[in-house]
Amino acid sequence: DAGVTQSPTHLIKTRGQQVTLRCSPKSGHDTVSWYQQALGQGPQFIFQYYEEEERQRGNFPDRFSGHQFPNYSSELNVNALLLGDSALYLCASSYRVPGEAFFGQGTRLTVV
Amino acid sequence: DAKTTQPPSMDCAEGRAANLPCNHSTISGNEYVYWYRQIHSQGPQYIIHGLKNNETNEMASLIITEDRKSSTLILPHATLRDTAVYYCIVRPSTTSGTYKYIFGTGTRLKVLA
Repeated sequence: DAGVTQSPTHLIKTRGQQVTLRCSPKSGHDTVSWYQQALGQGPQFIFQYYEEEERQRGNFPDRFSGHQFPNYSSELNVNALLLGDSALYLCASSYRVPGEAFFGQGTRLTVV
Repeated sequence: DAKTTQPPSMDCAEGRAANLPCNHSTISGNEYVYWYRQIHSQGPQYIIHGLKNNETNEMASLIITEDRKSSTLILPHATLRDTAVYYCIVRPSTTSGTYKYIFGTGTRLKVLA
């Protein structure tokens, strides 16, 4: 059983560009959350998707957007990249009935 | 949202028990305590969670005080592979059936040979 998979693992982008990160949830999970982790900090919640809708959102600007597909996979899009967007982006999946969330290995985004 | 307080770092000798404390004095009655760990910028790994009773699984034990204002994660026989950042999280109450984790800065545990 594959766990949560994220792609790509590493990415380098230039300021002002746009980026799309992808996440496939663990089998049987229907809820996907995205987190941003800056160096030396704990992960910060960006948003959560369930039934293809954004259900909760953290304190992130509208440049951060997402999507969930019918197969429960998800994308995180970031527009107009800033140097401060450089971070590890983590995807976590869970089943809607409260239980533990499982995290992917993350995508390391570097903005230059 | 409840917040947690953890010591920034701890050392533990290999083979000894590692006891990681967490303070969550503002926890609500229906909020769970979760523990995750993160090894060298990999994704956080679930360890254990509990509501009010003590819990044990193959990885660790979780001791929650009777007033639920604090808890301790116990790794009974720490190994070098347990060196990681450990996060104590209080999962906020849900209104829609979905929830988010609020991470602090965690405790950096170093297991010494």
